Amino acid sequence: AQSVTQLDSHVSVSEGTPVLLRCNYSSSYSPSLFWYVQHPNKGLQLLLKYTSAATLVKGINGFEAEFKKSETSFHLTKPSAHMSDAAEYFCVVSDRASLSGNTPLVFGKGTRLSVIA
Amino acid sequence: NAGVTQTPKFQVLKTGQSMTLQCAQDMNHEYMSWYRQDPGMGLRLIHYSVGAGITDQGEVPNGYNVSRSTTEDFPLRLLSAAPSQTSVYFCASSYQGQGGATQYFGPGTRLTVL
Repeated sequence: AQSVTQLDSHVSVSEGTPVLLRCNYSSSYSPSLFWYVQHPNKGLQLLLKYTSAATLVKGINGFEAEFKKSETSFHLTKPSAHMSDAAEYFCVVSDRASLSGNTPLVFGKGTRLSVIA
Repeated sequence: NAGVTQTPKFQVLKTGQSMTLQCAQDMNHEYMSWYRQDPGMGLRLIHYSVGAGITDQGEVPNGYNVSRSTTEDFPLRLLSAAPSQTSVYFCASSYQGQGGATQYFGPGTRLTVL
């Protein structure tokens, strides 16, 4: 069974400082991992995804995440926060090779990022 | 491409009423799904479909029905609305159901049940 734990429900940073949003996962098979972003009253947009290639994944808007199998983590980082980064972020896991052949996404509960001017 | 579209954007129902939330995609994706989003809960899967004529239950299917008669459309039906179904509903599609495929989300339907 898959599960995702986002370790912080709310993170607040100052503009121009680094961002770290933490995510741990559990998966029975080889996982695919995603980060999605949701701006207020909007749908979800894919930031980046890991599907077994390079463990350091670069996404849009300067975000990146590193897959660490030994730590079962997939933390999201950005070197310098911008006001427009304020949003809700979801870490998502999907088993890439489950026996059922159909592997719906399992979402974390989200981390709200606030950026202070 | 319009991507994934959902109608209506907002809806208010009374307890016991029924309604259908519409979802359509124009990307020829085989895989479509419905999620509900509640505060502090992330998104939870209601139903999904791996192709026309094939549907299956997700994590929270009770009180909802789906059908998939075409590749493009995947409506979600509330049979008898309850206040517990007050939520934001998102439809998503992808070219395959296997892990690794990027899901494309619609803008959501905000439903209130009184």
